[in-house]
Amino acid sequence: AQSVTQLDSQVPVFEEAPVELRCNYSSSVSVYLFWYVQYPNQGLQLLLKYLSGSTLVKGINGFEAEFNKSQTSFHLRKPSVHISDTAEYFCAVTGQGAQKLVFGQGTRLTINP
Amino acid sequence: NAGVTQTPKFQVLKTGQSMTLQCAQDMNHEYMSWYRQDPGMGLRLIHYSVGAGITDQGEVPNGYNVSRSTTEDFPLRLLSAAPSQTSVYFCASSPRRRETQYFGPGTRLLVL
Repeated sequence: AQSVTQLDSQVPVFEEAPVELRCNYSSSVSVYLFWYVQYPNQGLQLLLKYLSGSTLVKGINGFEAEFNKSQTSFHLRKPSVHISDTAEYFCAVTGQGAQKLVFGQGTRLTINP
Repeated sequence: NAGVTQTPKFQVLKTGQSMTLQCAQDMNHEYMSWYRQDPGMGLRLIHYSVGAGITDQGEVPNGYNVSRSTTEDFPLRLLSAAPSQTSVYFCASSPRRRETQYFGPGTRLLVL
């Protein structure tokens, strides 16, 4: 079975500062990892995903994430955030042979001007 | 191409009432799922389907039923609503399990 832990429930940062949202997973099989974003009062949309290949994955809106198998992590980063990045971010995992996508508890990113 | 649609957007129920949350997708996706979102708990999988006629339980299936008679539709039925089912419900679909899931806009349900 897979599980996901998002290490921070809330992350406040100033506009134009860098940000890292942390995600750790556990799985006994090969994993596929996702980051989704939820803007206020909306559904979720995909930011980026890791299926295989390069461990550095680039997504939409300037976000990127690095798959680290030894650390079982998939942290999300952006070098300079904007007010419009205010949202809740969810890390999710599924594994080879698994039918289900398991979500973390979410990290609320707040950007202060 | 409407993507994933959900109805209703809001619903208030009394304890013990039943209702069906509708979900439809027009992308010919095989995989569909229902999640509930509660503060601090992320999204929890209720039921999912890997194709028409095939459904299975997720993490929190109690109190909910699903069926998948067509590729397009995946309704979620609350048999006898309870206050613990107050939540925001999301339907999602994807071409296959490892592919990107596309989410509907959600249904906010309040059970009194």
